[in-house]
Formats: sequence, C-alpha cells, structure tokens
Amino acid sequence: QKEVEQNSGPLSVPEGAIASLNCTYSDRVSQSFFWYRQYSGKSPELIMSIYSNGDKEDGRFTAQLNKASQYVSLLIRDSQPSDSATYLCAVILETSGSRLTFGEGTQLTVNP
Amino acid sequence: SAVISQKPSRDICQRGTSLTIQCQVDSQVTMMFWYRQQPGQSLTLIATANQGSEATYESGFVIDKFPISRPNLTFSTLTVSNMSPEDSSIYLCSVELGAEQYFGPGTRLTVT
Repeated sequence: QKEVEQNSGPLSVPEGAIASLNCTYSDRVSQSFFWYRQYSGKSPELIMSIYSNGDKEDGRFTAQLNKASQYVSLLIRDSQPSDSATYLCAVILETSGSRLTFGEGTQLTVNP
Repeated sequence: SAVISQKPSRDICQRGTSLTIQCQVDSQVTMMFWYRQQPGQSLTLIATANQGSEATYESGFVIDKFPISRPNLTFSTLTVSNMSPEDSSIYLCSVELGAEQYFGPGTRLTVT
C-alpha cells in the first residue's frame, strides 16, 4: 500500500461544477495534511492545509479531513477553467519529522 | 509565505558533467528541502538541509551524487554530479515556514 494515494484521474468537470479530489494515507497518527496545485511547467503552490477533523473553507476551496477513515479531500466549488491543473495531496507522516510525502497527483480539467 | 528563487531556471548539460543549483529565500529558515520531479511524476524528496548540520538523504539518494551545502539560513545549493540522462528532471527546493512548505520555481535539467 502506498503511503499517500490519490484517485488516479484524470478528472474532467464542466465549468461551474464541483470538483472533488480524494486522498487516503496509511499512517494513522499523521497530523498534517496539505493540498498543492501545480500548473503545467510550474512548481507546486500550497492552496490548503488542514490539521483537525472536519471542514476548512477558503474561498471556493474546502478541505475535508477524516482521521478515523484516514481520508482527506479537496472540493472546488464553481470550478473555473483556470482551476485546470494537477492537484497534489501531501502528508507529514508521523515517523518522518517534517518531511512531506506526496501522492501521485490528480489532473483536473475544467471544460468551458 | 516566502519569496524563493532558484538558479539556473533551466540548463542543458552533457553526460558526465556536474551542475550546481542555488536556492535563495528572502527570510531566515531552519529547514530547507530538495526534491526531484521526473517527467509526468510526483515529487520525491532527495534530502533535508538544516543549517549547521550535514544534510539528511532519503533512501536511494547519496551524498556523492547529490552533495548539498547549507552555509546560512537563507541559502542552499544542490549539486548533481556525474550526470546521466536519467538525471533529467525538475529539481525543486522548498522551505518550511511554521508547519507549511513552500516551493521555489524549480530548475529544469536536461542531460544529453
């Protein structure tokens, strides 16, 4: 089992829809979870961090964390073509100090 | 966040040569990290560089191949030594601010 897994994608949604990106992790005691957005040819950009169970909202983005299920998700409401990118889930595993472990990423395309 | 710069932004190098990549941040940070992102793949941590101590390398990466310097709290270098075409990749530095990591723009390396 991979330490951090994302739904493989690619994911395609129409403009204005909700895009749902999912991530599971193997380390039950992990405490820190992040979503990065990476446009083609660019470096990853941190868009959300979440540390507690429940939802965290920032504009059109909502991160959801369920530690019991070892599951973290990112919802993008009112998706725009500019949201088209690869979204990377990253977890600081309990045994890894400050090191981030990344999932393989989910490529999202928002169609006008 | 922080302003992070990398030099060079891209380079084309011949097999057997070495390239040193520089990472500069506009504030003092304790933890800096070096990642590699091979084409179409996610990020893989090469090493963690703390100022005043030897870099800590991840499994599969060795100091002879990827020597790292961390002379102060705002600067680090990664050298890719004795390059082969398999080293063609994007190399990224990141810094830790609080509990979050932010990435530099990356260095795109092509080895011919």
